[in-house]
Amino acid sequence: EAGVVQSPRYKIIEKKQPVAFWCNPISGHNTLYWYRQNLGQGPELLIRYENEEAVDDSQLPKDRFSAERLKGVDSTLKIQPAELGDSAVYLCASSFQGAHQETQYFGPGTRLLVL
Amino acid sequence: DAKTTQPPSMDCAEGRAANLPCNHSTISGNEYVYWYRQIHSQGPQYIIHGLKNNETNEMASLIITEDRKSSTLILPHATLRDTAVYYCIVRMEYGNKLVFGAGTILRVKS
Repeated sequence: EAGVVQSPRYKIIEKKQPVAFWCNPISGHNTLYWYRQNLGQGPELLIRYENEEAVDDSQLPKDRFSAERLKGVDSTLKIQPAELGDSAVYLCASSFQGAHQETQYFGPGTRLLVL
Repeated sequence: DAKTTQPPSMDCAEGRAANLPCNHSTISGNEYVYWYRQIHSQGPQYIIHGLKNNETNEMASLIITEDRKSSTLILPHATLRDTAVYYCIVRMEYGNKLVFGAGTILRVKS
């Protein structure tokens, strides 16, 4: 069974440029998460989807960040315009809400460097 | 979600048991203890979780004290590939985000 797929794995852009990350969750998982991980720190949640609905986006910087999960399957996270401080690893995770054990499974992440 | 406290780093000899402690003194009755690890340049990997009973799976064992204020993750025979950052997280079973602390850097040495 395929795990959580993310692309690209690495991205280098100049500040003020837009960037987008894509995530395909594990098949059948209805809950999808985007986390950001700064160097030397643990991941922090940006947004959580249940199917196509964003149920927790309180930590998403809405002035420059946006996300969508239109058909309740794959998802895109966008930054426009990117700032130097956005350099981080962006992790996607998925889980099946309603299972006895709601374990989150993570993808490998996209490492973003903003110059 | 309750806060957890872990030592910043630990060393373990290859082939020996690695015992990683975690304090969670403010845990509430319906909160679970979860353990994840993150190997360099990879996403976090689920290891194990428990409520109040000790748990064991193919990766590790989880020992939770009777008062539930602390727990220990045990890797019975550590290998070099177990070198990673280990995160202890307390959360409700369903729906809540994972709140990661700084974790414990475990270095397994030959």
